[in-house]
This record gives sequence, C-alpha cells and structure tokens, in this order.
Amino acid sequence: QGQLVQSGAVMKKPGTPVAVSCASSGYIFTDFYLHWVRQTPRRGLEWVGWINPATGDTMYAHQFAGWVTFTRDTSIKTAYMKLTRLTSDDSGIYYCAREGESWGPFDYWGQGTPVTVSS
Amino acid sequence: DIVVTQSPESLAVSLGERAVISCRSSQSLTWKSKKHYLAWYQQKPGQPPKLLIYGASIRGFGVPGRFSGSGSETYFTLTISSVQAEDVATYYCQQYYDVRTFGQGTKVEI
Repeated sequence: QGQLVQSGAVMKKPGTPVAVSCASSGYIFTDFYLHWVRQTPRRGLEWVGWINPATGDTMYAHQFAGWVTFTRDTSIKTAYMKLTRLTSDDSGIYYCAREGESWGPFDYWGQGTPVTVSS
Repeated sequence: DIVVTQSPESLAVSLGERAVISCRSSQSLTWKSKKHYLAWYQQKPGQPPKLLIYGASIRGFGVPGRFSGSGSETYFTLTISSVQAEDVATYYCQQYYDVRTFGQGTKVEI
C-alpha cells in the first residue's frame, strides 16, 4: 500500500521561496511519476507539474513554469517542490500525488502542505 | 489547454436519493473509441482528494458500488445511486488526456 507523507505547514513572507517535501513508502519510488497540485479557494485544484523520479525529468504547467522547480532524492525516496518569489495569491494547500499507471489518474495523494504567504 | 466544466456547482439531495454530476470537456477525452481519459475524485474537508472512478467508468480500489461513471468524448457523468451521509463531499472531474486539468468541483450536501 503506497503512502506519501508531506512536510508540515509553512508561513512565508512575499518574495521569499518555499520548499515542500513528499516522502514515499510502500512502493518502488522510481516506478511512478509524481505530480504536484495546488488547491486554493479562488482557483480550486490546479495541476502544477510532474517529475519522473527515475530520471529527474520534469514538466511544468505553463502558469508555473519559471518559478517552480521539482527535484528528487532517490536514496531517501523523496520528491521536492520549490516555489520562488511567493505572492499572497500562492497561499493554498500543495499536494503531491502519484500517477498510478502510465498516463493515468492519481491513485495516492499526500496529506497536503498548507502554505500561507503574508507580510 | 483542455478545459473541463462541471455542473451543478452544488447539489442538495435527501438520503437514499440519486445524485448525478456532469463534466464537459472542451475537446474529446476518448482515444480511438476505447480509452477514456477522465477520472472522478471525492474530497472531504481537511482531506486530500480520493480517486473514485478512472477511465470514465472503472471504480477505484474499495469504492462502493453506489458510485458509477459513464460517458465518452466530451460528456461524462458521475452517479451516486443512493446517497449516504458519508458521501457529503466535493467531487471533481479530472482529464488526463493532455497533461492534467480539474473541474471546479461539485459540493454534495444532504
């Protein structure tokens, strides 16, 4: 049974970066793509992008390209998302989610990491 | 980008009644009339979304039989045949034909 556990809630000031981690267990980390999804009251669920843990290849949604970066550490089966230049609009809950089959839906989700951006 | 639009935004039903949520896509999500790249998720307050249906009509692991999905091309529906108290949640459709996009959600209340 796969599981994704994310880092805890964070509060940041505008213009600063934030990093969120997503630790996997219960499955082979490098066998499944990991996606990141943002949820905000105004915009609902937004797909941020994916990382292939086996190769490190990434793809970003166009609205996030240039200010989000995905990385991973295969030795500890953990993926990371870094957002730069935060604004108050970026406040929300960030989820990691596993793509259960190639080009498929998300079968496992992390518990979510609330990010609050406030001066 | 593919846009998926859900309706209604909210739905109030009595216990035991049927609930139907629809999802329309700006382009076809069906490949060669065989595979449908549409999923449904259920999200309860304070929890991440949970996969209910994928491939338009295949129930996820452990999903009760009262949940069913249907549709093809650009129109899909999620049906709860007999709504239970534990089904109070927000439901989202998601297309995975081209990257990923989500509908805006449908809140189901008793």
